Amino acid sequence: EAGVTQFPSHSVIEKGQTVTLRCDPISGHDNLYWYRRVMGKEIKFLLHFVKESKQDESGMPNNRFLAERTGGTYSTLKVQPAELEDSGVYFCASSRIPGGNYNEQFFGPGTRLTVL
Amino acid sequence: LAKTTQPISMDSYEGQEVNITCSHNNIATNDYITWYQQFPSQGPRFIIQGYKTKVTNEVASLFIPADRKSSTLSLPRVSLSDTAVYYCLVQTRYNAGNMLTFGGGTRLMVKP
Repeated sequence: EAGVTQFPSHSVIEKGQTVTLRCDPISGHDNLYWYRRVMGKEIKFLLHFVKESKQDESGMPNNRFLAERTGGTYSTLKVQPAELEDSGVYFCASSRIPGGNYNEQFFGPGTRLTVL
Repeated sequence: LAKTTQPISMDSYEGQEVNITCSHNNIATNDYITWYQQFPSQGPRFIIQGYKTKVTNEVASLFIPADRKSSTLSLPRVSLSDTAVYYCLVQTRYNAGNMLTFGGGTRLMVKP
């Protein structure tokens, strides 16, 4: 079974530019999450999709961030315009339909974003 | 969710047993304890989860005392490849699809 994949692995852009990150979850996983770790900070939740619907987007920092999951498969996270403080590692995770006692999340390797 | 506290770092040697303790004084009845492992340049990976007493799998054991205010992740006979950051998390049993809340984690360094 293929794991969660993310593209690109690294992205270097200038302040004010736009970047789009992509996440392909494990096939059949309805839950998709975005997290990020900015320099020196802890991994923080951004948002959660259930299929194509946004279940929780309480962690999105501001309206420069737009996440989509059309068709309930892969997801994109667009940052427009990018600011210096957006630099960090963006992780995507997926899991099966909630149920049972826990919900193991499978993480991708992350996209390292550097804004100059 | 209950806040977790764990040591920032630990050192060990190959072949030793490593125990990482996590405090979660405000854990609620519906909460369970989960540990994730993260290697450099990778995303976190689920290791083990428990609610009370002891849980063991092929990777680790998790010890949870009766008051559940702390938990201990035990890694038997560590190797160099166990060098990683280990995160203790508390998750709500219900609404299990909710986000994970990460703390700072414990950076384990295994030396030869």
